[in-house]
Formats: sequence, C-alpha cells, structure tokens
Amino acid sequence: GAGVSQSPSNKVTEKGKDVELRCDPISGHTALYWYRQSLGQGLEFLIYFQGNSAPDKSGLPSDRFSAERTGGSVSTLTIQRTQQEDSAVYLCASSRHRGGTDTQYFGPGTRLTVL
Amino acid sequence: DAKTTQPNSMESNEEEPVHLPCNHSTISGTDYIHWYRQLPSQGPEYVIHGLTSNVNNRMASLAIAEDRKSSTLILHRATLRDAAVYYCILSEIDTGNQFYFGTGTSLTVIP
Repeated sequence: GAGVSQSPSNKVTEKGKDVELRCDPISGHTALYWYRQSLGQGLEFLIYFQGNSAPDKSGLPSDRFSAERTGGSVSTLTIQRTQQEDSAVYLCASSRHRGGTDTQYFGPGTRLTVL
Repeated sequence: DAKTTQPNSMESNEEEPVHLPCNHSTISGTDYIHWYRQLPSQGPEYVIHGLTSNVNNRMASLAIAEDRKSSTLILHRATLRDAAVYYCILSEIDTGNQFYFGTGTSLTVIP
C-alpha cells in the first residue's frame, strides 16, 4: 500500500515568510508525528497526534510553530515568520496505534531552506 | 525517555557481520529498545525492536544484555545497501510514542 507522503519535497523561502508543510499518513494509522532534522543531526521530536486526543506539542521549539490534523488524517505543520535556523528537513511519520511498541513509518521529508 | 549512547561511526567490509553497540544504562523496566536506520536522503526505516529477549527478523538480530543496559544490532552479512545511520531508541510500552533519536552510528560498508 501507499506509504507516508509529504509535500512539497523542497521548499525555499525568505526569512520572515510563513510556510506550510503537508503530511499524508498511511490510511488507517491513528498516530502521526512530526520531527525536524538539522544538517548532520539526529531527529528532533516536534509534535504528536493520536486520534481525537489533544496533541502533544511538547517538542515545538517556539510559538511560531504550529500543526493541525484534520479529520484524523492529513496534517499540516505551519512555521510563521521563518528564521534561518528553521532550515532543516521536516519528517512526518505515522503508526497504526499508540504505544511504545508500534512501528513508525516515515515519509521522505520536506527540505526547508530559509534564505 | 532514557537516553542512548552509540559510537559516531563504524566501518565494515562487505559480506562480513557487523555489530552495532548501544548503551542505555538508565533504561527502565517498561522501555522497549528500537533500532531504525536512515539511508542517505530518506526518512528513517524500522529495523527491529525488543524488550528482554533476543530478537531475529529478516533484516537483523537484536542481542539484549541480561541487565538490559546495553544492546547490539547485528547485521549478519553487510551489503553496500546497509550503509546508513543506525539509531538506537528507547520508548515506554504504553506512552512512548515520542522517539528520541540521538545522532546514531554512521555505518560505512567497504566493498
């Protein structure tokens, strides 16, 4: 079946502009995650959605970052007033259920460059 | 979630076994051990996970120390396609959806 998809694959923007990144999880997966990966670094957790529960936003680095998940499926990560330090690859993952044993399936990521 | 410690890089010759170590000395009894790998320009992919017993699947084996403070991912015969960054991650059984990735081990496979 189809995996996790993300769009756009690449995004170049100017400092101060807002950007929206999209994630389409695997159909039927109730959990969705956003991570950020800066150059040469490991993944940094940003936010987690599980079904209709309130999202875990504990990883968002500032109030310029927000995310929503509509209808329990597609998710959008929004970065307002982008800064150069926001440049990174933004990865989305989904898993079937909640729980520490569930495999996370990752998308290919969106490479964001802030000039 | 408890933290993990891995070597920054390792090398292996093609078709030889590779043992990738991970230390997790502060692991709790409810933490699962996961391994993911990330090939160049791709998102991470699942490799294997376990709790207490050693685990085998088609990709690899996971050897877990008796005290669970360390584990080793074993690739039985390294191929060039196994060149990737390998991440060792801990997550709680019930609540651990937040995977805390470290910097992982960058594996180079030498032809």
